[in-house]
Amino acid sequence: GESVGLHLPTLSVQEGDNSIINCAYSNSASDYFIWYKQESGKGPQFIIDIRSNMDKRQGQRVTVLLNKTVKHLSLQIAATQPGDSAVYFCAEIPNTGFQKLVFGTGTRLLVSP
Amino acid sequence: EAGVTQFPSHSVIEKGQTVTLRCDPISGHDNLYWYRRVMGKEIKFLLHFVKESKQDESGMPNNRFLAERTGGTYSTLKVQPAELEDSGVYFCASSQSSWTGKVSQYFGPGTRLTVL
Repeated sequence: GESVGLHLPTLSVQEGDNSIINCAYSNSASDYFIWYKQESGKGPQFIIDIRSNMDKRQGQRVTVLLNKTVKHLSLQIAATQPGDSAVYFCAEIPNTGFQKLVFGTGTRLLVSP
Repeated sequence: EAGVTQFPSHSVIEKGQTVTLRCDPISGHDNLYWYRRVMGKEIKFLLHFVKESKQDESGMPNNRFLAERTGGTYSTLKVQPAELEDSGVYFCASSQSSWTGKVSQYFGPGTRLTVL
């Protein structure tokens, strides 16, 4: 897949566990953040987003936490399933007036049955 | 609703040849973006169209890359002549326009380009 050659940190969990994936972003002026999931052979799939005026947002089985003080973003996945196995990317949009996403390196999540 | 589609899914060409990649955004999305991941690197922004106009092309690596979006619908990205370092996966994304600020970008499956 596209991750070959990219040295990714890996998180291994058991099915049913809760997973927490962390991301440190670079630009304190960023005001919009998105988590993407990428499965092998596919493009990044939108999971959840959060704006900088929030510190927490919940979706279905997922929660994103934003700590602007330390420029840290996390994705929590409840009751992790084998189908959650993928590479997860955080992305930020700096407050420059443009819309380009700046991606992190990604974290590989491996879920064992 | 159909998602972002890209064609071809794979392309293998020789150094010096020309390749054209195509992206069809989600219907009604005025914003179209090109990104790429070259081996061992993160996904990097190339450029952004708003309808048929280039809003931001700060990520285009050099003048061997030409992106067009005539008519404001689908877009093409041409690489001419291709070099070895152009190998990677090229992603297209699209998003709606919003008066309230930034909105989510939805990605296509990518085109894997291999330059030999």
